[in-house]
Amino acid sequence: EAGVAQSPRYKIIEKRQSVAFWCNPISGHATLYWYQQILGQGPKLLIQFQNNGVVDDSQLPKDRFSAERLKGVDSTLKIQPAKLEDSAVYLCASSIPRGPNTEAFFGQGTRLTVV
Amino acid sequence: AQRVTQPEKLLSVFKGAPVELKCNYSYSGSPELFWYVQYSRQRLQLLLRHISRESIKGFTADLNKGETSFHLKKPFAQEEDSAMYYCALRENRDDKIIFGKGTRLHILP
Repeated sequence: EAGVAQSPRYKIIEKRQSVAFWCNPISGHATLYWYQQILGQGPKLLIQFQNNGVVDDSQLPKDRFSAERLKGVDSTLKIQPAKLEDSAVYLCASSIPRGPNTEAFFGQGTRLTVV
Repeated sequence: AQRVTQPEKLLSVFKGAPVELKCNYSYSGSPELFWYVQYSRQRLQLLLRHISRESIKGFTADLNKGETSFHLKKPFAQEEDSAMYYCALRENRDDKIIFGKGTRLHILP
C-alpha cells in the first residue's frame, strides 16, 4: 500500500514569511496527526484530526499556525508568519481509529529552515 | 498530564552486548505503549507494541504497570540496530499519541 505522502521535503524561508505543508494520508485512514520535531527532541503533537474534525489542537500555536483537513482526506498545515524557532521537521502521520493491531504510519517529513 | 520519559539521550553499546532502552510513562488510564524507530535517512516506523507481545528484530518490551515502565531490550546488539528509538503512548480515549524525547542507540564494533 502507498505510504503517507508529504510535500515539500525541504523548505527555506525568511522569518515573517508564510509557508504551507501538505499531507496525503494512507487511503482509508480516518485519523491524521501533525507533529513538530525540533532537532534533538521527540515529535510533539500539534494537531489531530478524525476525518475532517479536530480532536486535539491544544499544542498548536494558533496565533500563527493553522491546519485543515477538507473532505477528511488531505491536510495542510500553515505557518503565518514564521519565526526562527519554527525551524523543525514537520511530520504527518495517519492511522485507522483505535483497534487491534493499529499503528500510526509516518511520512518522510518536511524540513523547514527559517532564516 | 500524560508524559513519556526516556532518560537517556544516547546509549553506546558494544556489538554482541545486551541492550536496554528505558521508558517510563505517566497516564491515569490504560495506555497503549509502542516503540518507534528511525534509522538514518528513513521515516519513523513502528518497531513493536505492547499489546502484541511480539519480538521484532530480536527486541522485546514488557509493560510493567506497577513501575509504569516499558523498557526495550535485546540480548545481543547488532550494528544495524544503531538508530533513534522513541517510546510512545496512545491514549485510549481519543487516540492521541505522545512521544518521548528519544534515545540514540549507537552500536560500537
